[in-house]
Amino acid sequence: SQQGEEDPQALSIQEGENATMNCSYKTSINNLQWYRQNSGRGLVHLILIRSNEREKHSGRLRVTLDTSKKSSSLLITASRAADTASYFCAAKTSYDKVIFGPGTSLSVIP
Amino acid sequence: ETGVTQTPRHLVMGMTNKKSLKCEQHLGHNAMYWYKQSAKKPLELMFVYNFKEQTENNSVPSRFSPECPNSSHLFLHLHTLQPEDSALYLCASSQSSLGGNYGYTFGSGTRLTVV
Repeated sequence: SQQGEEDPQALSIQEGENATMNCSYKTSINNLQWYRQNSGRGLVHLILIRSNEREKHSGRLRVTLDTSKKSSSLLITASRAADTASYFCAAKTSYDKVIFGPGTSLSVIP
Repeated sequence: ETGVTQTPRHLVMGMTNKKSLKCEQHLGHNAMYWYKQSAKKPLELMFVYNFKEQTENNSVPSRFSPECPNSSHLFLHLHTLQPEDSALYLCASSQSSLGGNYGYTFGSGTRLTVV
């Protein structure tokens, strides 16, 4: 089974609302990364949170990490139409593998 | 522009063709990667190069042949592909092969269609 699994698979919200995506993983990790991918393009690195961190912010992004629950969440506040994309978590395991989840498809409706 | 450039952006090839994908990074990174992204599947790591030496090959069929002449350039040579090889092929780079420590910079990908 996959190391990183995002939830939900798809999310549709109105512009201005907050979007929350969750990621679960199965083994111990060194860090967890979030990426965005616009349709047919490459992935863009958004934020990396290390295993000894609980929360991290970058602009309108807020990432939390709960190592006891093996889960992370990505919150996008005040969403914009330009935030429409797929979002992926990637778990860097303690044996140096980086495993991507299948992604959450976010649609922000103007 | 991310600093990782992939060409071509789109490629259609027959099963008997030979073609190559090219990746170039201008970030001074020492590690480069090929990933395959198929519809409804997570990213699959194919190859890892660190200081132009291959350090990982994830059981990729021999019809995919990577080449890394230096730390800035990475190629993926393709021959006798199958229709199921149609996918988005992404190149990425990182400061070191411990790329998971800092994150990856991806190119825009090559959309490959095998007919």
